[in-house]
Amino acid sequence: GGIITQTPKFLIGQEGQKLTLKCQQNFNHDTMYWYRQDSGKGLRLIYYSITENDLQKGDLSEGYDASREKKSSFSLTVTSAQKNEMAVFLCASSMRSQNTLYFGAGTRLSVL
Amino acid sequence: GDKVKQSPSALSLQEGTNSALRCNFSIAATTVQWFLQNPRGSLINLFYLVPGTKENGRLKSTFNSKESYSTLHIRDAQLEDSGTYFCAAPYRGSALGRLHFGAGTQLIVIP
Repeated sequence: GGIITQTPKFLIGQEGQKLTLKCQQNFNHDTMYWYRQDSGKGLRLIYYSITENDLQKGDLSEGYDASREKKSSFSLTVTSAQKNEMAVFLCASSMRSQNTLYFGAGTRLSVL
Repeated sequence: GDKVKQSPSALSLQEGTNSALRCNFSIAATTVQWFLQNPRGSLINLFYLVPGTKENGRLKSTFNSKESYSTLHIRDAQLEDSGTYFCAAPYRGSALGRLHFGAGTQLIVIP
């Protein structure tokens, strides 16, 4: 089996700050995803990447950048944190030919 | 509007009883996935379904693509079944994990 590791687990930022979230997977999966979860809502796709150095926008990409530095890692940057923002950011991966998703434990963001 | 609607939004079950969660699609879903988000926040993949039925222990899921719904049956509910259950279906024409998620069913199992 494999594992998806997200760092940090908790992130507290200031309004306007640039914040970076990291994700590593050892499944050797081709595709990686960043989803955002707001309280009481389902997950919404921010960015995904089908291979190293590829980047595709999801439904919620405005205000975010992403980078797929190598096959095993995918990072997400909040370009300017919004005051009172609170959400959980979930990283996931899948084999290219399938769409079964495997998720990390999440990064919980709070902006003061 | 919501492409994936889950019902009920919340549910309390007595330990040892049975229940069913439902997922209705307004998109032409070809596959469906069910996840459980445990109280720690981790999302666990329960089922990946093409049209038909799958069973795993006390859980059984059915996906009817013609009538655009899926159900998740929980038999003999246990305390560890508590959490939020999500269903999700892929974006049209996408073979990848780009999924539309429902808002979830929050399940509490009571001793």
